Amino acid sequence: GENVEQHPSTLSVQEGDSAVIKCTYSDSASNYFPWYKQELGKGPQLIIDIRSNVGEKKDQRIAVTLNKTAKHFSLHITETQPEDSAVYFCAASKGGSGNTGKLIFGQGTTLQVKP
Amino acid sequence: EAQVTQNPRYLITVTGKKLTVTCSQNMNHEYMSWYRQDPGLGLRQIYYSMNVEVTDKGDVPEGYKVSRKEKRNFPLILESPSPNQTSLYFCASSSLILAGGEDTQYFGPGTRLTVL
Repeated sequence: GENVEQHPSTLSVQEGDSAVIKCTYSDSASNYFPWYKQELGKGPQLIIDIRSNVGEKKDQRIAVTLNKTAKHFSLHITETQPEDSAVYFCAASKGGSGNTGKLIFGQGTTLQVKP
Repeated sequence: EAQVTQNPRYLITVTGKKLTVTCSQNMNHEYMSWYRQDPGLGLRQIYYSMNVEVTDKGDVPEGYKVSRKEKRNFPLILESPSPNQTSLYFCASSSLILAGGEDTQYFGPGTRLTVL
């Protein structure tokens, strides 16, 4: 069935360094790839997303890249800050008519930014 | 403020005692969904609803029921909870999924359920 693999499961970086989280997906029909940040005691919050007609998208210090041929996408956080510490989830879904809206999530990455 | 609310936030119960977790959204979203989050497994979809009176199973529906009588509410019902349903539950909503349209899902704060 549909599957999303996320790596690494934990990531520790020094403040100011970059962090990269990678995901691969199995269903070639997937065309919507959101990234969520989950802080302790809260629900996941969308931080950035990308659709299959775009190869890269940036929003200030975060960026997402998508390689449809290889079926993988990545989250890049530059100039990390302690408040970036959280659990990050990637997800994939099939957009368009007939879409059930189901998001297939990766297993999550716990990012720790050390001051 | 646009939001998804869940109640209760924390619940400890015993095996077999029926319970309901409520979910409500104030964004007039057609689509609502329930997920459970377990360590190492990410979030898995339990049930979803495309609109009022339209519900369908997700990946892990066993032991759960839902209803969608009103657009804003989507309660999750555990008729006879068991310990393997101990988990963190999230409700989410989004506007109608359309080709190239808005489909961002907004999540509630979560309900931590423990079944003894």
